[in-house]
Amino acid sequence: NAGVTQTPKFQVLKTGQSMTLQCAQDMNHEYMSWYRQDPGMGLRLIHYSVGAGITDQGEVPNGYNVSRSTTEDFPLRLLSAAPSQTSVYFCASRRGSPNTGELFFGEGSRLTVL
Amino acid sequence: QQQVKQSPQSLIVQKGGISIINCAYENTAFDYFPWYQQFPGKGPALLIAIRPDVSEKKEGRFTISFNKSAKQFSLHIMDSQPGDSATYFCAASYSFGNEKLTFGTGTRLTIIP
Repeated sequence: NAGVTQTPKFQVLKTGQSMTLQCAQDMNHEYMSWYRQDPGMGLRLIHYSVGAGITDQGEVPNGYNVSRSTTEDFPLRLLSAAPSQTSVYFCASRRGSPNTGELFFGEGSRLTVL
Repeated sequence: QQQVKQSPQSLIVQKGGISIINCAYENTAFDYFPWYQQFPGKGPALLIAIRPDVSEKKEGRFTISFNKSAKQFSLHIMDSQPGDSATYFCAASYSFGNEKLTFGTGTRLTIIP
């Protein structure tokens, strides 16, 4: 069972470069979200989606863009990378019904911005 | 603004002992409180969760204690094992299954033989 798949697992960027972190889930979950994890700060919500075509901002959305054209995919775009975006990024999904409240996380994408 | 405060940052417990991690929240509108467990190189995974209508929930060796008046909740791991060594995050949200989970800062638990 694949669950939530994130690519790439590791990426190094230079300041100003753009890139897309990919996230795909094969569980037919309605809800998908992106978190970033930084030492001493826990996980913080960047963007989330409650279904195809619907996205909304989380706690730290600046510098990131998302779209949800299909149920399965929820890519996260960094428009112009900055050193402050060095972090580990996690994609998560949750089914809509029945709602157990459980988030299923991918294994993360570690991004370094030089 | 840290809406969920977690302590301690790190914890070392002997095998067979009880591990206790505490969280405090500020917003009384929170009504769903999960705990997530994360092993190195992996994503977090749901361990156990509680709603404020009960004061305690137990699943195997893991127990959540919830004190609504004090706005605090804690995770107790009984008979702690080396395999429990991981980082634990508490979290809270405004409604069950709400996407906007607010996480604590995490506790790195190490169980020593």
